[in-house]
Amino acid sequence: AQKITQTQPGMFVQEKEAVTLDCTYDTSDPSYGLFWYKQPSSGEMIFLIYQGSYDQQNATEGRYSLNFQKARKSANLVISASQLGDSAMYFCAMREEYSSASKIIFGSGTRLSIRP
Amino acid sequence: DTGVSQDPRHKITKRGQNVTFRCDPISEHNRLYWYRQTLGQGPEFLTYFQNEAQLEKSRLLSDRFSAERPKGSFSTLEIQRTEQGDSAMYLCASSSSPSDTQYFGPGTRLTVL
Repeated sequence: AQKITQTQPGMFVQEKEAVTLDCTYDTSDPSYGLFWYKQPSSGEMIFLIYQGSYDQQNATEGRYSLNFQKARKSANLVISASQLGDSAMYFCAMREEYSSASKIIFGSGTRLSIRP
Repeated sequence: DTGVSQDPRHKITKRGQNVTFRCDPISEHNRLYWYRQTLGQGPEFLTYFQNEAQLEKSRLLSDRFSAERPKGSFSTLEIQRTEQGDSAMYLCASSSSPSDTQYFGPGTRLTVL
């Protein structure tokens, strides 16, 4: 069974510092995709970054990078130079490409708060 | 550029009433998904459409829930005989090949009194 674990329910970070949000996953599917979404208090889920299981390099999108360690089954999100607007819930998610190419399984999320 | 839209944004209803939510996906997206999110949790998959065909349904989708996408464009999610446990945020997402990255709408927050 696929599973996403986010062990940090909440984090406080000083503005302009880098922050790492942890995510581990479990799957027996050889092909899968990993996602990070941001959910501000308004409720909308905003797509941030994607990593495919066969991708050789870690994904990067602007200030976001995904630290993908396949052997450890971890997919941590790194946000560089944090900003006040980064305060939100962050969800790690996974899609298994063979067994269920449709649905995404989400973790329980990490609430990130940026201090000025 | 129009993203995924959902209507209404908020719905308050009494237990036992029926409610219907609408989702308009990104126009060129042929896949549409419904999720439910309760407080403090991540979204949970409910159902998925490719064009007008409903291809997968979660066991969370009891017989009181029905979803349609009649013309392969917008979708509706109906909950009959609502219960207090149905109170949640209902999120819609859409995607298209090849990336199939799912883009979410703002959600409909349902409160059942």
